[in-house]
Amino acid sequence: EAQVTQNPRYLITVTGKKLTVTCSQNMNHEYMSWYRQDPGLGLRQIYYSMNVEVTDKGDVPEGYKVSRKEKRNFPLILESPSPNQTSLYFCASRGIGTGGPRAKNIQYFGAGTRLSVL
Amino acid sequence: KQEVTQIPAALSVPEGENLVLNCSFTDSAIYNLQWFRQDPGKGLTSLLLIQSSQREQTSGRLNASLDKSSGRSTLYIAASQPGDSATYLCAVRPDLSGATNKLIFGTGTLLAVQP
Repeated sequence: EAQVTQNPRYLITVTGKKLTVTCSQNMNHEYMSWYRQDPGLGLRQIYYSMNVEVTDKGDVPEGYKVSRKEKRNFPLILESPSPNQTSLYFCASRGIGTGGPRAKNIQYFGAGTRLSVL
Repeated sequence: KQEVTQIPAALSVPEGENLVLNCSFTDSAIYNLQWFRQDPGKGLTSLLLIQSSQREQTSGRLNASLDKSSGRSTLYIAASQPGDSATYLCAVRPDLSGATNKLIFGTGTLLAVQP
């Protein structure tokens, strides 16, 4: 089954304690992104990656890091979390093919990670 | 700067009604527009995608239209069912190259279909 898997689904942590949210896709997609969703603000892109070892900032990258060492994985790293990073996070991926799960333009999203930073 | 707005923010209808959700965007230079459904704890599911050169797309009871010149899209749901209850999100892809893989989202319409 074509899917994007995020872990953990729920996380409560304290200010300053480094954490990583993992994201993995099984569709051999080139593009991957991280978004955060906040009430009244919608989803906003944090970082994106066009392929292995190619990453760049989205609209709200401050306080976050990412890496793309393998095509299937795109972890989101919070080196020193702060309360304003309390949010619902989504990983998304997209292929560049012509059909099926790799069809270009169709974004696949993970189920989300709800993070609370105390 | 592209902004996407969805009206209404919430909608409650009795089962069986036809309904329309609205999405507007400020910059007509878009590559495509997608409608998503968001269920609690289940992430986002793509419902319909309309390329900028298209006027509408249909899937089952869903029909999405796009009027790029006026910056508007509508999602029409026929014969609504309680299972249609969810948050519906509209998103535009602003760049032609797709290099940023960015979608710009509206804040959604929370739909409740009453049995």
